[in-house]
Amino acid sequence: AAGVIQSPRHLIKEKRETATLKCYPIPRHDTVYWYQQGPGQDPQFLISFYEKMQSDKGSIPDRFSAQQFSDYHSELNMSSLELGDSALYFCASSPNRGMGYTFGSGTRLTVV
Amino acid sequence: AQSVTQLDSQVPVFEEAPVELRCNYSSSVSVYLFWYVQYPNQGLQLLLKYLSGSTLVKGINGFEAEFNKSQTSFHLRKPSVHISDTAEYFCAVTLNYGGATNKLIFGTGTLLAVQP
Repeated sequence: AAGVIQSPRHLIKEKRETATLKCYPIPRHDTVYWYQQGPGQDPQFLISFYEKMQSDKGSIPDRFSAQQFSDYHSELNMSSLELGDSALYFCASSPNRGMGYTFGSGTRLTVV
Repeated sequence: AQSVTQLDSQVPVFEEAPVELRCNYSSSVSVYLFWYVQYPNQGLQLLLKYLSGSTLVKGINGFEAEFNKSQTSFHLRKPSVHISDTAEYFCAVTLNYGGATNKLIFGTGTLLAVQP
């Protein structure tokens, strides 16, 4: 079965650079979520989209932005990267507004 | 607002012994409950979920959990663990209503360390 695809798997950036993370949800899933998991931390909700519209926002810094495109894939854009942004970024998709999440394998971002 | 508490940050257990990982939640409305497993340097894999119906939920890899509304708990159990069960386990909750997109709220995780 198709899963949630995230790219890239690993990303190394320098401070103050920008990064773009991509997420391809499971076909026919209408909701996409982004989570950030710092080292040794639990995943923290960043932002979500339902039918290409932003539907909820969590603890996402102003330096980050995200959108969902017409083909339902989503991108998380991160600017002015800081060392503290180093984390695992997960995307998840759901067909029924939260009743069945499937997570991608994550993108490990390292800021040096 | 809802929250999830996993009191045990680490649970050491010997192989083939039973294990219980505790999870309590707080919410003023009804919720859906989930357990996820995360192996080192990997993503989150769904073990099981409670949406409605029977309070005893069976998941993958021999795990099960019981929803107890009066105690607001959703403890995870396995009668006999294997070395390969060593991983971080996260309990998570989301609101049970048809409004917004119902983000997951995670507990802080429990590291299950299975020893030979």
